[in-house]
Amino acid sequence: QKEVEQDPGPLSVPEGAIVSLNCTYSNSAFQYFMWYRQYSRKGPELLMYTYSSGNKEDGRFTAQVDKSSKYISLFIRDSQPSDSATYLCAMSPPNNDMRFGAGTRLTVKP
Amino acid sequence: EPEVTQTPSHQVTQMGQEVILRCVPISNHLYFYWYRQILGQKVEFLVSFYNNEISEKSEIFDDQFSVERPDGSNFTLKIRSTKLEDSAMYFCASRPTTVTSNQPQHFGDGTRLSIL
Repeated sequence: QKEVEQDPGPLSVPEGAIVSLNCTYSNSAFQYFMWYRQYSRKGPELLMYTYSSGNKEDGRFTAQVDKSSKYISLFIRDSQPSDSATYLCAMSPPNNDMRFGAGTRLTVKP
Repeated sequence: EPEVTQTPSHQVTQMGQEVILRCVPISNHLYFYWYRQILGQKVEFLVSFYNNEISEKSEIFDDQFSVERPDGSNFTLKIRSTKLEDSAMYFCASRPTTVTSNQPQHFGDGTRLSIL
């Protein structure tokens, strides 16, 4: 089983839709969970950073972590064409280095 | 806002040649990283560097690769005897560190390495 699994998509939604992106993981030592957004030919840009289980909201973005199920989600409300990008989940144990999911390519159509 | 900068943005090199990719991490960060992303594939961890030494490396990071912090600001990745399959985007990242928590990494925009 891969350490971090993420459906690569592609995912296409109409503008204004709610987007749900997900990752599962197998390493129970992971405690820090990140979502990065990557535009074409650019580096990953940190969107959300959460520690342990629970929800975190930032504007139109909500990150959710369920450690019991080893499942994390990123929700995007009122999606915009500018949200079109690849979204990478990443996670790490304490004082250790990140492992990335494969990334989900999202297109938001006007 | 401080950012990680990488140079060059695109490097074209003949197979078998050595290449050095350069990064300037965010100034108060203490952990430095290199990642690789082959076109259309996932971001892969190569190496992490702390306190002037490698703290972790992946199976990709073999004897062909080396890292160095030659001065107080630069962090470099050297690839010797480049192969066609080394063609990829190479990302540098850095993060601060605190005693009690793990801080997320901040990435540069990458160097696109093309091996001919």
